[in-house]
Amino acid sequence: GAGVSQSPSNKVTEKGKDVELRCDPISGHTALYWYRQSLGQGLEFLIYFQGNSAPDKSGLPSDRFSAERTGGSVSTLTIQRTQQEDSAVYLCASSRTAIHQVTQYFGPGTRLLVL
Amino acid sequence: GESVGLHLPTLSVQEGDNSIINCAYSNSASDYFIWYKQESGKGPQFIIDIRSNMDKRQGQRVTVLLNKTVKHLSLQIAATQPGDSAVYFCAETLAAAGNKLTFGGGTRVLVKP
Repeated sequence: GAGVSQSPSNKVTEKGKDVELRCDPISGHTALYWYRQSLGQGLEFLIYFQGNSAPDKSGLPSDRFSAERTGGSVSTLTIQRTQQEDSAVYLCASSRTAIHQVTQYFGPGTRLLVL
Repeated sequence: GESVGLHLPTLSVQEGDNSIINCAYSNSASDYFIWYKQESGKGPQFIIDIRSNMDKRQGQRVTVLLNKTVKHLSLQIAATQPGDSAVYFCAETLAAAGNKLTFGGGTRVLVKP
């Protein structure tokens, strides 16, 4: 596709359930980033991938959060046992590489609401 | 997505006037800076970038200024248009750390017709 795509666009879940968010990066982009945008916290980094490896998971807020990327393309962010404070917009971005100064392009985000 | 609920500074500008949005960044080692525009319900959209070995860069109707001495970044928009109404974020990054972005708090720009 022409840009970064994310699915679902909106997700409503009940507290305690697991959710999976998907990101399709721009074709050929080896770097993929997950960010979270929440009320009162602004935009914050969660994790990034260079290829299939995740050199930096420092932004993941708890061990309930995990992400994987297979085949160097699509990535999924999984939140287990969701809590109300997980409600936020989850944004994915991709860039040609993670090791040089190159632009990250964002997807439209997934709006997650935990009831 | 947008920073709804955050107390965002707001810049009101008359259509046709120039806008200046300011940003203080935190890491003196950051070597790459980006301005993003975010409209309601959308992801951040790239506007312009600048590397730390530059102090000014111009695009179409936009100029970014970088002052490393005081860790300050600004975005100037010439002849502001209604379509420029959005939240603007500066972001800093360090290539050696994987280019993960650290965002500023954002500024809401409202263009009055």
